[in-house]
Amino acid sequence: EAGVAQSPRYKIIEKRQSVAFWCNPISGHATLYWYQQILGQGPKLLIQFQNNGVVDDSQLPKDRFSAERLKGVDSTLKIQPAKLEDSAVYLCASSFRGAPSGELFFGEGSRLTVL
Amino acid sequence: AQSVTQLDSQVPVFEEAPVELRCNYSSSVSVYLFWYVQYPNQGLQLLLKYLSGSTLVKGINGFEAEFNKSQTSFHLRKPSVHISDTAEYFCAVSLGSGGYQKVTFGTGTKLQVIP
Repeated sequence: EAGVAQSPRYKIIEKRQSVAFWCNPISGHATLYWYQQILGQGPKLLIQFQNNGVVDDSQLPKDRFSAERLKGVDSTLKIQPAKLEDSAVYLCASSFRGAPSGELFFGEGSRLTVL
Repeated sequence: AQSVTQLDSQVPVFEEAPVELRCNYSSSVSVYLFWYVQYPNQGLQLLLKYLSGSTLVKGINGFEAEFNKSQTSFHLRKPSVHISDTAEYFCAVSLGSGGYQKVTFGTGTKLQVIP
């Protein structure tokens, strides 16, 4: 079974530029998450999708971050314009039904450096 | 709202010695508890989880954790660590909120196994 795929693995940009990250979850998984992991901190949920609908984006900085999940499969997270404090690893995860007892499956992450 | 506290940011331990990584949580409702492990430059993967039943749960790689409701703790233990256990460990709580899963992670504990 293929795992969660993310790209790119690494990205370096200058502040005020834009960047996009792509995630392909495990086939059949209804729930998709984007987490931000800043160095030395735990993952922080940015946005959570159930199929192609947003169920939680309370911590997403909507003035610069956007995300979509077309057709309930792949997802894209965009940052425009980027700030220095956006330097982090962006983790995509998926789960089968989004049940509270369910395991999250993570991709390897996309490491963003903003100069 | 639920929260997770990992009391130690770093834990150095000699190879073949026992280790305990501490986790405390707070929640006004029943939660499910998880430990995830993150090896360098990789995503998180599930180590073990407590859903119900026996308070002692066993996971992969010889790890186990004990759920203590009165102390709201879910400490992770291993009787004898190996060099390959060097990684960062995250405690997480999960509950159902508004019909979907909400997962909150702690800040992580870096386990450094010394040869």
